[in-house]
Amino acid sequence: DGGITQSPKYLFRKEGQNVTLSCEQNLNHDAMYWYRQDPGQGLRLIYYSQIVNDFQKGDIAEGYSVSREKKESFPLTVTSAQKNPTAFYLCASKGTSNYNEQFFGPGTRLTVL
Amino acid sequence: SQQGEEDPQALSIQEGENATMNCSYKTSINNLQWYRQNSGRGLVHLILIRSNEREKHSGRLRVTLDTSKKSSSLLITASRAADTASYFCASNSNSGYALNFGKGTSLLVTP
Repeated sequence: DGGITQSPKYLFRKEGQNVTLSCEQNLNHDAMYWYRQDPGQGLRLIYYSQIVNDFQKGDIAEGYSVSREKKESFPLTVTSAQKNPTAFYLCASKGTSNYNEQFFGPGTRLTVL
Repeated sequence: SQQGEEDPQALSIQEGENATMNCSYKTSINNLQWYRQNSGRGLVHLILIRSNEREKHSGRLRVTLDTSKKSSSLLITASRAADTASYFCASNSNSGYALNFGKGTSLLVTP
């Protein structure tokens, strides 16, 4: 089945630790995105990548880092510099046209203890 | 960055009734999309309307776009309990590579 997956579904982290969230897609999409969603809020863009080995900061990139070494994979690292990391993280991918929809993964809920 | 804003924030209706949600955005767009999110899940694309279109239908969904008012509406007809979810509009600007999402409308459909 084609799709986009995220792991883990739930993640717990102690303060001061870095943690990496996985995002994989087999849709052959060039563009991939990371969003953060807080309770009752919309999605805010963290980072996006339009092509392998290239990525751009979104609106709230501070405290996060990404890599795009493979077309299929776009991992997000939440660093200890992110002051309020507890949130629901969503990964998405999209084809090259502006008229393409974004396909979303199921999300990872990160809780900092 | 531009932000869509949905109205109302929450909507509660009974099965069989129609549900209307509105969205406003701030800058020129290439297209506007509506997504649905069930609690604790990822978003699912519902419908896309291009900037040169005024109305679009998909099953029980009807979307309108008024670029002069920078607004869009999503109508769900003959609602069902399974339509209970949050609905988000997302605008795609002419030069942007990412979507700008609103805060969403939370829809509750009771049997």
